[in-house]
Amino acid sequence: KQEVTQIPAALSVPEGENLVLNCSFTDSAIYNLQWFRQDPGKGLTSLLLIQSSQREQTSGRLNASLDKSSGRSTLYIAASQPGDSATYLCAVRPSSNQFYFGTGTSLTVIP
Amino acid sequence: DAGVIQSPRHEVTEMGQEVTLRCKPISGHNSLFWYRQTMMRGLELLIYFNNNVPIDDSGMPEDRFSAKMPNASFSTLKIQPSEPRDSAVYFCASSFGPNHGYTFGSGTRLTVV
Repeated sequence: KQEVTQIPAALSVPEGENLVLNCSFTDSAIYNLQWFRQDPGKGLTSLLLIQSSQREQTSGRLNASLDKSSGRSTLYIAASQPGDSATYLCAVRPSSNQFYFGTGTSLTVIP
Repeated sequence: DAGVIQSPRHEVTEMGQEVTLRCKPISGHNSLFWYRQTMMRGLELLIYFNNNVPIDDSGMPEDRFSAKMPNASFSTLKIQPSEPRDSAVYFCASSFGPNHGYTFGSGTRLTVV
């Protein structure tokens, strides 16, 4: 069974700082990996989807990378803003159809 | 596209009552997933369907839980009888095959008192 780990569990940074969130997974045989954002009391919003053949994906200030061989993905957030405060979840899809989720990193950006 | 639609948004019920949660996936998506989220256990997959057929229900916690997908545009998750430990947020997600990502609904917050 795929195990997904996100470290740190919580992160607090001052506004404007660039930051990296980490995700590691145990089985490198994956279809794709998806990063989500979840605001308190809300649902999950998809941020980026990386296919197994890709190394990275970018959307605005967000950049996600994938290194299958080492079982790692990172989400880079440039010039962080208070509105970026949320929980960020990493999900990995192995050969089966379902995604396996990490427990998330709770990000607080301090104005 | 209205996205994945779940109803109700909130449900408060008494222990022992039957609860039915509903989900309408995105049109054209052929996979549907039911998840439960709690502070203690995070996101747990309960069951998923491919082309309306249940594929993996190993995450369904007990026989009190059942799920159906009678057609491509509708699914239900039923808890009978409900218990306080079932209190959680239940999410539905849909996907257009393994090379595509998930789209989540807004969730149903269930409170069993």
